[in-house]
Amino acid sequence: IQLTQSPSLLSASVGDRVTLSCKGSQNINNYLAWYQQKLGEAPKLLIYNTNSLQTGIPSRFSGSGSGTDYTLTISSLQPEDVATYFCYQYNNGLTFGSGTKLEIK
Amino acid sequence: EVQLQQSGAELVKPGASVKLSCKTSGYTFSNYYMSWLKQMPGQNIEWIGNIYGGNGGTGYNQKFKGKATLTVDKSSSTAYMDLSSLTSEDSAVYFCAAGYYWYFDFWGPGTMVTVSS
Repeated sequence: IQLTQSPSLLSASVGDRVTLSCKGSQNINNYLAWYQQKLGEAPKLLIYNTNSLQTGIPSRFSGSGSGTDYTLTISSLQPEDVATYFCYQYNNGLTFGSGTKLEIK
Repeated sequence: EVQLQQSGAELVKPGASVKLSCKTSGYTFSNYYMSWLKQMPGQNIEWIGNIYGGNGGTGYNQKFKGKATLTVDKSSSTAYMDLSSLTSEDSAVYFCAAGYYWYFDFWGPGTMVTVSS
């Protein structure tokens, strides 16, 4: 399954509601996770199984979706959210998307 | 606190092999799968394979069969990845990542491997 993330670059203001998209080439059956990777660091698990928040992750992060289309939402963007966000599917093989780079405007 | 400590950066010659390590603490090593992943600049992260801490059973991405060999030392809660016949295409950051299921809960900081003569 190939994953297409959009946009590839997103610039938003602190406090904005931000939505990142991930579309699969086939049905993912909700076996989708989201990772945050800050510059020079390892990825961090944010969301698994489409909408389950990993322990310790702020509640401003949420996930939704079904079928082939999935979304990561940040309800109120914070400066520390500057990072690249990857979606990852584990329904059929294990594949990552190419990422959305999130910047502060 | 869960920690995954990876070995240091490697500079290796083409055709050589390298062995990367990932020493863990803070969780029950034998209950989790340890995966290895490859990240090259501007390219998607790739899953190389995984190994079960309990019995050493392995699974590989077809692309990396023959390139990567995964092992564990349960006595020290350490996972290893051997990369063989290195070429410039193997230059990347390699992460170890532990997970109970098919996603990865805990990650190491990564090891940069540079293949150059």
